Amino acid sequence: SQQGEEDPQALSIQEGENATMNCSYKTSINNLQWYRQNSGRGLVHLILIRSNEREKHSGRLRVTLDTSKKSSSLLITASRAADTASYFCATGDSGYSTLTFGKGTMLLVSP
Amino acid sequence: DAGVIQSPRHEVTEMGQEVTLRCKPISGHNSLFWYRQTMMRGLELLIYFNNNVPIDDSGMPEDRFSAKMPNASFSTLKIQPSEPRDSAVYFCASSSGLNTGELFFGEGSRLTVL
Repeated sequence: SQQGEEDPQALSIQEGENATMNCSYKTSINNLQWYRQNSGRGLVHLILIRSNEREKHSGRLRVTLDTSKKSSSLLITASRAADTASYFCATGDSGYSTLTFGKGTMLLVSP
Repeated sequence: DAGVIQSPRHEVTEMGQEVTLRCKPISGHNSLFWYRQTMMRGLELLIYFNNNVPIDDSGMPEDRFSAKMPNASFSTLKIQPSEPRDSAVYFCASSSGLNTGELFFGEGSRLTVL
């Protein structure tokens, strides 16, 4: 079964707006990662946040992690049409060696 | 540097035929993963290898599926016989360690079984 569940399933915004996607998970983790997938392509790693971190930034990306609520959010600021893609969260379980992916959020950024 | 290389990118076959998907991981990476992606089930881990040894194959759906990693630079995922419900995009990914770090994905093999 899926560990992470993204919300919303789909998001449509205008260029320049911010996009926020959320991820909830069920069991304890040692890290949480966000990936991006353009249509017809493979997944590309965006950012990793460890269980002892609360917030992380990378360029226009901001990720938060709340282990008490078992949730994470990905914020993309000043979105661009090129940000149009599906975004997945993936959790690395404590003591295990693989990632479990959610079903993703489809983001559409219109010019 | 070349990323993870998968072949074929697209495969259309008829039910009952054997399908072999291939993967070349990034040089120096010692973990390799096979995932399957469908609209209904999302991304599912099928099997993963560490140092060419299969560690967990609990995600392999049936005995019709098999995977091998004869050396550090090559892996195959075989489906025999194939069925229409096997239609999906199959991804290979590699990473440099065991501690659930960043995965590097190939572009995927889109399989259609008629």
